[in-house]
Amino acid sequence: KQEVTQIPAALSVPEGENLVLNCSFTDSAIYNLQWFRQDPGKGLTSLLLIQSSQREQTSGRLNASLDKSSGRSTLYIAASQPGDSATYLCAANTGNQFYFGTGTSLTVIP
Amino acid sequence: EPEVTQTPSHQVTQMGQEVILRCVPISNHLYFYWYRQILGQKVEFLVSFYNNEISEKSEIFDDQFSVERPDGSNFTLKIRSTKLEDSAMYFCASSPRPPQYFGPGTRLLVL
Repeated sequence: KQEVTQIPAALSVPEGENLVLNCSFTDSAIYNLQWFRQDPGKGLTSLLLIQSSQREQTSGRLNASLDKSSGRSTLYIAASQPGDSATYLCAANTGNQFYFGTGTSLTVIP
Repeated sequence: EPEVTQTPSHQVTQMGQEVILRCVPISNHLYFYWYRQILGQKVEFLVSFYNNEISEKSEIFDDQFSVERPDGSNFTLKIRSTKLEDSAMYFCASSPRPPQYFGPGTRLLVL
């Protein structure tokens, strides 16, 4: 069964700092990997989707990379802002469902 | 931009009662999903639905759960006899293919 782990569980950084969130998965046979943002008590907002054939995807200040062979993905956030404060979830798609990690809770301090 | 919608946003029910959570997927999507998130825990897959049939379900999705597409636009999750441990946020998602588009969720509280 696919297991998805995210490190760190929580992260607090000053505004303007660049940061990296890590995601690892045990089964490399994935179709794609998706990064989500979740604000407290709210739903899931899709940030980036990386297909299994891709190495990275970029959207604005966000860059996600995927290394299938090592079972890892990273989400890079450049020039962090207080509005980036949220929980970030990665999810590995094995074909018919997503397996989610427990998330990294990010706080950006003004 | 089209989005998945869910109703109600919050529901409080008594243990043993039946609840129906409703989702309106994006109109041209063919695949539908339900996930749940117990407070402080991972988002967990419940069930996927395609062509009016369940295509995959997790071990969580036992006989007290059922899904239906009653009218071609709505997608429902029914919990027949709620238990305290069913208290969670329930997310619906739909897709024509990956990625899945998630709804805002229904927060269910069972007392």
